[in-house]
Amino acid sequence: ILNVEQSPQSLHVQEGDSTNFTCSFPSSNFYALHWYRWETAKSPEALFVMTLNGDEKKKGRISATLNTKEGYSYLYIKGSQPEDSATYLCALDQTGANNLFFGTGTRLTVIP
Amino acid sequence: GAGVSQSPSNKVTEKGKDVELRCDPISGHTALYWYRQSLGQGLEFLIYFQGNSAPDKSGLPSDRFSAERTGGSVSTLTIQRTQQEDSAVYLCASSYVLSGTGELFFGEGSRLTVL
Repeated sequence: ILNVEQSPQSLHVQEGDSTNFTCSFPSSNFYALHWYRWETAKSPEALFVMTLNGDEKKKGRISATLNTKEGYSYLYIKGSQPEDSATYLCALDQTGANNLFFGTGTRLTVIP
Repeated sequence: GAGVSQSPSNKVTEKGKDVELRCDPISGHTALYWYRQSLGQGLEFLIYFQGNSAPDKSGLPSDRFSAERTGGSVSTLTIQRTQQEDSAVYLCASSYVLSGTGELFFGEGSRLTVL
């Protein structure tokens, strides 16, 4: 069983605050790292798929970085909004077959 | 439809009964995946299909679980003689290519409760 760990488990921030969370994974046998956002009563939605060490990706106020040598990725949200409230999942693909190993997620609540 | 469709959205069954969960992927997506999330746990990989074949069935929890895909499209996940520990949300996802750089498109899941 792969150890994909996310921290913190949950987080409450005030609207307008910036925040970040961590995904750590085994650095051996790396193919890709995925980030998904899962809002309550909806389906998980892809944010980023990163493959190269040093990758940085951005979508609006959300960005992510990847360090494959040390086995971690950070997700940043700038100026959090209530609609950012969701569980953020990272997932590791070791083989390129997309059978992803997911972390247990970081549950973000943005307080208006 | 435009997205991945799963049915039923909710299923309550008695221990020992068989259940069948259905997934209709996005048209043209060749790869299809089944995951489940048990209470308090992360998403657990079950099986994936490339076309109609399933190269990796190692994630299926027991031989009571089986899955098939026909016509490169719809997939069914069957759980025989359900047990209480099978209670979970079963998620299906599809992607255009079998590639680690392809994002997965998820359905809204089928919530299974075994009494």
